[in-house]
This record gives sequence, structure tokens and C-alpha cells, in this order.
Amino acid sequence: GAVVSQHPSWVICKSGTSVKIECRSLDFQATTMFWYRQFPKQSLMLMATSNEGSKATYEQGVEKDKFLINHASLTLSTLTVTSAHPEDSSFYICSARVSLHYGYTFGSGTRLTVV
Amino acid sequence: SQQGEEDPQALSIQEGENATMNCSYKTSINNLQWYRQNSGRGLVHLILIRSNEREKHSGRLRVTLDTSKKSSSLLITASRAADTASYFCATDLGGNKLVFGAGTILRVKS
Repeated sequence: GAVVSQHPSWVICKSGTSVKIECRSLDFQATTMFWYRQFPKQSLMLMATSNEGSKATYEQGVEKDKFLINHASLTLSTLTVTSAHPEDSSFYICSARVSLHYGYTFGSGTRLTVV
Repeated sequence: SQQGEEDPQALSIQEGENATMNCSYKTSINNLQWYRQNSGRGLVHLILIRSNEREKHSGRLRVTLDTSKKSSSLLITASRAADTASYFCATDLGGNKLVFGAGTILRVKS
């Protein structure tokens, strides 16, 4: 089946540093990928839509200069949390649409802790 | 913004019992999907029901969709301890955007 591989699965970083999260579609091409954020015991909130070869589309209230998205190829999208602060600590998940009939496949998520 | 609301927020049942979770949404949809999430993990796609479908089955899962009431339900029959997880409905509004409900935390006690 279609698989999205997300790395790292967890990361701890110091305040002020930047962290890059990668999502790769392993056996299909994803022209569009989606980045979500999830706080403990809460639902997923869409942050941005990543489009291969063009600029990402950000949801209202999401700072595009803080959450840099790059989708340079049909199989790789990256989210960089710049100048991370403790309030950025969260679970970040990427996804890609497999087909109209199947739905979406999700990465395994990245637990970011900023200390 | 959150589209769907799910109830109950949490559900605790004994192994072998059925579990029913409900989801309501506000706008027109192309389809509605249910996902499962084990603690601290990614989401697993369970089932997709299109807006012109009323019921769908997959193994022990049964999903219904009532577009007139803008609601859906997920039934898990003969639950197992391994079904313990969070379950989310997500509405596909078109334009490749999924909007998730608040989720139901299911605990199946053995």
C-alpha cells in the first residue's frame, strides 16, 4: 500500500534553534502533501498544504516565516520549524492523498519538544 | 477550523461489546473518512464513505452517513482490547483538504 515515511519520529531541541521534519512518499508520487499539528488529547489541525514546485498554502493563523515548507520533488516535502520556542512543542504529522477512493495516508508523526 | 464534532469524547467498554461513535459536520462534503490513531502515532485510514452512499462495511466496521442530518456514525462490533485508540472522522470538502473532528477516545477493557 501507499506509504508516507516521516522522520524523525521524535526530536528535542533548544529554544532558538531550527528543526527540519521530512516526509517522503515511498511508492507513489505526491504532488500535494499536508502538514498537521496535534496537541495532546486534541484533534489534528491543518497547518499548510505543500505543493510540489510551488509555494505552500498556509491556513489562517499559521506563520509562514516560522513554519517553512519546501516541496522540491514529487516524493519529498519538508517542514522546518525556525527559531523554535517551547510553545512550538507538539506532534507534527504529514499526509498525502493516495486516490479519490482510498483517502489519505499519514506519516507516523514527529514529536517535537523544545526546551 | 474544526468542521466536525464527535461524541462521545471518550468511551469505555468491555471486550466483546459494540462501540458506536458519532460525528457531525457543518458544510457540504465530497466524502467522509474515519481514521484511527494509537497513542503518539500516525493515523491509519479505516474507511471512506462518499456523499452519495448511506452505509459501508469493512470487516468489523460499519459506517453510516446521513447527509440530511450532516452526521455519520462508526460502529465497531465485537470490540477487542487492540481496538483501544482514538478515532477521528474527517470531512473532505474538495480541494484536497481534510478537516478533522475532535475525536473519540475508545478504551476496550479485557
